[in-house]
Amino acid sequence: SQTIHQWPATLVQPVGSPLSLECTVEGTSNPNLYWYRQAAGRGLQLLFYSVGIGQISSEVPQNLSASRPQDRQFILSSKKLLLSDSGFYLCAWSPLTGGRTTYGVYGYTFGSGTRLTVV
Amino acid sequence: RKEVEQDPGPFNVPEGATVAFNCTYSNSASQSFFWYRQDCRKEPKLLMSVYSSGNEDGRFTAQLNRASQYISLLIRDSKLSDSATYLCAVNRYNFNKFYFGSGTKLNVKP
Repeated sequence: SQTIHQWPATLVQPVGSPLSLECTVEGTSNPNLYWYRQAAGRGLQLLFYSVGIGQISSEVPQNLSASRPQDRQFILSSKKLLLSDSGFYLCAWSPLTGGRTTYGVYGYTFGSGTRLTVV
Repeated sequence: RKEVEQDPGPFNVPEGATVAFNCTYSNSASQSFFWYRQDCRKEPKLLMSVYSSGNEDGRFTAQLNRASQYISLLIRDSKLSDSATYLCAVNRYNFNKFYFGSGTKLNVKP
């Protein structure tokens, strides 16, 4: 069965420090991978998604970047954190579907999340 | 205008009650719809898909109204364990990329 791992679970970082969050998926190949952020009391905001190694699409311009160095690894980074980067960061995966008839049939499976507090 | 909108609630209901949430979406090209459940400080978990003809899973019923561009979730015989935030998700066949509502909070009271 497929599993998704995300770490760390909790992180407190000072303003201006770098960030690296990692997400890995097991039990599947060529997944779609996503990074979402959920600010306190807010909805899920899609930050980045990837359909393959080295292929990253950014949804909103911000202080963050993403990379996909391996098929089942997705990394979220920042060179200098801002207070506004605080939030609950969630990695998710879904099967990559090639046919229009099956596109969007699958929901996401989320990792357990990283709660980031920038101080 | 937001891609997906939900009433944040909270909906406070007694055990055994029936409660319904709606979720509206702005883009008529939206193709797939889901309901997720999120417990406090946890990740969202897929509750159910929403099919055009409507679908039921135990006490939960999901429906889609394409003409009015909304989906709904009906929970019958509410349990204390149903207390959570319910998120709707909408997809437009674009790399299986979903847009989420901000969630509706449900509190089921004894």
